[in-house]
Amino acid sequence: GNSVTQMEGPVTLSEEAFLTINCTYTATGYPSLFWYVQYPGEGLQLLLKATKADDKGSNKGFEATYRKETTSFHLEKGSVQVSDSAVYFCALYGGATNKLIFGTGTLLAVQP
Amino acid sequence: GAVVSQHPSRVICKSGTSVKIECRSLDFQATTMFWYRQFPKKSLMLMATSNEGSKATYEQGVEKDKFLINHASLTLSTLTVTSAHPEDSSFYICSAKGTLSSYEQYFGPGTRLTVT
Repeated sequence: GNSVTQMEGPVTLSEEAFLTINCTYTATGYPSLFWYVQYPGEGLQLLLKATKADDKGSNKGFEATYRKETTSFHLEKGSVQVSDSAVYFCALYGGATNKLIFGTGTLLAVQP
Repeated sequence: GAVVSQHPSRVICKSGTSVKIECRSLDFQATTMFWYRQFPKKSLMLMATSNEGSKATYEQGVEKDKFLINHASLTLSTLTVTSAHPEDSSFYICSAKGTLSSYEQYFGPGTRLTVT
């Protein structure tokens, strides 16, 4: 079945450091891929998405490229801020099932 | 726009009692609502999908008689945990989908349930 694997956290970085959170997926068909962010005490928010191979999703300085050949959708940001501290979830939709399938989440802690 | 609220944010109940969690879409009509359960350091697990005015569709392994879901209006869905046990303690999150997108869901802030 469909599944998402993302790197375990926590990831601790200093402000202005480069961020990568790895995400790989297993799916039949052609799923859409997402990154959601959950700030402390809040619900999940859609951060960015990509609906087909080679698409790049971007928002708030974050980017992720849909790589079908490596079944990956790694999240990157060139310079993180303290305000980026949150839990990040990789997810897919579609393929064999019309459901959102989530990874386990990665806690990012950015220190000043 | 696209705000989803949940109430309560935290609840503590005694074993054997029932507790109701509300999920509301505040500024859009939600034709479909989803209920998820999140365990510590685990991903969100879809429990059930509910469409307004019809019975919820439960995922495999989720007891429909224990987790009662009602989606009586386009802005409100409720999850009732009946005869709660300590193992039901968890973080419950709802999401709502409107009519314009086939996949975009808007998430509530979650409800922390503790059964003593």
